[in-house]
Amino acid sequence: ELKVEQNPLFLSMQEGKNYTIYCNYSTTSDRLYWYRQDPGKSLESLFVLLSNGAVKQEGRLMASLDTKARLSTLHITAAVHDLSATYFCAVDIGQGAQKLVFGQGTRLTINP
Amino acid sequence: KAGVTQTPRYLIKTRGQQVTLSCSPISGHRSVSWYQQTPGQGLQFLFEYFSETQRNKGNFPGRFSGRQFSNSRSEMNVSTLELGDSALYLCASSATAAYNEQFFGPGTRLTVL
Repeated sequence: ELKVEQNPLFLSMQEGKNYTIYCNYSTTSDRLYWYRQDPGKSLESLFVLLSNGAVKQEGRLMASLDTKARLSTLHITAAVHDLSATYFCAVDIGQGAQKLVFGQGTRLTINP
Repeated sequence: KAGVTQTPRYLIKTRGQQVTLSCSPISGHRSVSWYQQTPGQGLQFLFEYFSETQRNKGNFPGRFSGRQFSNSRSEMNVSTLELGDSALYLCASSATAAYNEQFFGPGTRLTVL
């Protein structure tokens, strides 16, 4: 059974600091997605990573994918309060039809 | 361009009843997926439809069913509701085949009493 594990599950950090969220998965896949969810809201797509070595950046967030290590990272640079949210990674195992398996989510709190 | 819409946004039912949730994908999107989100189990895949055909199904009992119409709108139905079915039900759409970004709707919050 596919497992997608995020680490850490809870993260409290100060503004201005850098940190990394890790997403490990247990099956072969070269399609990984990162989403953000604010309390009481739906999921907002952040990054789509479709190949080994893929790296994408948007503002203070950067995501990467290492399919050989079955690992994706979401790096936060110089955190600001607005980035407080829960972040999910999801692996697509649909084999031609989409079927996402999500990690548990990382609840990120950024304190002034 | 309008996003994914889901109706109703909130629903309260009692055990044993059935419920139908609706999802309208982004215009031009043909793939619709459904997910259940609960505090205990997290986000779990229910099923995915493309061109009115169910292509993938998650590990949910047969009480959970869905369908997709020719205009790509989708419905999911839960029969004989149980307390554990209380959840946020999210619908997502994507353009065509795999490798496409999924865009999520606001969700339907179902409470079963």
